[in-house]
Amino acid sequence: GENVEQHPSTLSVQEGDSAVIKCTYSDSASNYFPWYKQELGKRPQLIIDIRSNVGEKKDQRIAVTLNKTAKHFSLHITETQPEDSAVYFCAASSWPGGYNKLIFGAGTRLAVHP
Amino acid sequence: DVKVTQSSRYLVKRTGEKVFLECVQDMDHENMFWYRQDPGLGLRLIYFSYDVKMKEKGDIPEGYSVSREKKERFSLILESASTNQTSMYLCASRSARLIFNEQFFGPGTRLTVL
Repeated sequence: GENVEQHPSTLSVQEGDSAVIKCTYSDSASNYFPWYKQELGKRPQLIIDIRSNVGEKKDQRIAVTLNKTAKHFSLHITETQPEDSAVYFCAASSWPGGYNKLIFGAGTRLAVHP
Repeated sequence: DVKVTQSSRYLVKRTGEKVFLECVQDMDHENMFWYRQDPGLGLRLIYFSYDVKMKEKGDIPEGYSVSREKKERFSLILESASTNQTSMYLCASRSARLIFNEQFFGPGTRLTVL
């Protein structure tokens, strides 16, 4: 069935360094790839997303890249700050079909140390 | 402001009790979802609904049922709670009318079954 694998499960970086989280998906029909950030004790919230007709998207210190041939996409955070510490989830969905349902990765716990 | 609310933030129940978790959204979304979140396992889909009175099983439906009598409300039911259902439960909603659109989460209900 549909599956999204996410790596690494934990990531520890020094403030100011870059962080990269990688995901692979199994359903070649997937065409929408969002990333959610969940701070401790809070709900997951969308931070960036990318559609299948785009290879890269940036929003300030955050960027996402997509390689449809290899079926993988990545989240890049530059100049990390302590407030970037959170659990990050990647997801994939396809439309039409699949009820517009998101398939989530298992999450990456990012710790940014001052 | 977009809102998904859940009836309780914390809930403690006894083994064998029937448990109701309620979720309400005010965005007129067609699709609603119930997830459970456990450390290291990410967001696992229990059930979802794409319309009033419609429901589909997710990845881990065993031991759960759902009800959607009104568009804005989606209920998760534990017919006979067991200790292995102790978890964080997250409700979410998403529009079916837009192809690429954000999924919104509720604040979560932390359920403890003793």
